[in-house]
This record gives sequence, structure tokens and C-alpha cells, in this order.
Amino acid sequence: QVQLVESGGGVVQPGGSLRLSCEASGFIFSTFGMHWVRQAPGKGLEWVAFIWYDGSQKYYPDSLKGRFTVSRDNSKNILYLQMNSLTAEDTAFYYCAKDRLGYTTSHYFDHWGQGTLVTVSS
Amino acid sequence: SYVLTQPPSVSVARGQAARIICGGDNIGGKTVHWYQQKPGQAPVLVVYDDSDRPSGIPERFSGSNSGNTATLTISRVEAGDEADYYCQVLDSNSDPLLVFGGGTKLTVL
Repeated sequence: QVQLVESGGGVVQPGGSLRLSCEASGFIFSTFGMHWVRQAPGKGLEWVAFIWYDGSQKYYPDSLKGRFTVSRDNSKNILYLQMNSLTAEDTAFYYCAKDRLGYTTSHYFDHWGQGTLVTVSS
Repeated sequence: SYVLTQPPSVSVARGQAARIICGGDNIGGKTVHWYQQKPGQAPVLVVYDDSDRPSGIPERFSGSNSGNTATLTISRVEAGDEADYYCQVLDSNSDPLLVFGGGTKLTVL
């Protein structure tokens, strides 16, 4: 079965950086696009990034462009999210999520990890 | 940016039908997906492409989409259906590309 396990969360000071990882198993990772979605504590869901199955295309909300970078290592079945210049507004649970369709995108998420908490605080 | 509007809360008696709406400008021209999130857990896809169900999701969950409103209907509501529900669409003409509604808390009485 599909498993997505995030790691790398923790407490970071404002202005700091953090890299999240998501280890995937139970499906052919190299054939599916992957997303990051975040959720501030007690708040709603916010899409953060999408990377094409082969890493050739990446998409972000304008509000996060330049600070967040998504990447993947298909040889290790790992998805990454590099986050820079963090502020308190970036405090959230960060989920990796699998796109439903292979070799393209369905624009929605059929499996989610359990999330990793990022807290930006001095 | 494209805005999806959901009521913050919906309450329904056990065994009755719950209808959770998601409003957006001409949302009927888009494809809507719905997620269920129970406290402390990750979201789960319950309806995709307006009205399809992933495997393992009970037939009690159904969706529709027309005009300016998409609807998630849960028939014969059970205590285990109590959760937050989010609608989501792609809007390729605006930023961000993938948009969520604000979520609706379903309370089972």
C-alpha cells in the first residue's frame, strides 16, 4: 500500500531554513507527480508546491516563489521541500501528497503522509 | 485568486443526510475534489472529479457540481463521519493553481 513518511520538521528561528523530506513506498514513485500541502494549526489547507514525475516542471503559489524549492530523488524515492527565509506565518504541518495520475497530473491528491510540524519561533 | 466558500459548520442527526456546499464563481465549469480530515489525522480523498469515489470510500459519500455550487452529500450519517471536509479545485487562470475551500466542520448529533 502507498506510504508517505515526512520528516525534517522542528523549531527554527525566523529567517532560518529547513529541508523537509518525504519517503515514498508502495508505488512507482518515479512515475507520479508529488505535492506539498501545509496546514497552520487549527486552520485550513494550503497548497505549497508540485513537482512533475521526472522533476522537469515545478509549480508554486506566487506567495512562496523564491523561498520554497521542491525537488525529488527518484533513485531514492524521496521528495524534498527546501524552505528559506522562514517567518512565523510558515508555522504549519507540512504534508506530502501523491498525485492520482502517473506521467501527468490530476491536480488533486489521492494519498497523504501524516505530516511534519514546522514551528518558526525565536 | 479563485475563492471557494464553505460554511464553517454543519450539524446533522445520526442517520440523516448531510450536505456540505462549496461555492465558487462558475464552479460548475471546474472539477471539484473533496477531502475528509479527522482530528489529528491527514486528509483523505473521499470524492474526486465532482462525483467519483476512491476505492474504500462508502457509497454513502457522493458529490455533485453545477452552476456556482458544488455539494458533498453524506447519506445516513454515522458518528465516524464527524470531521472537517474540504473542497478543492484547479484554477489554471489564477494564482495559486490549486485552491482549497476553508473547510466545514461536520458535527453528528
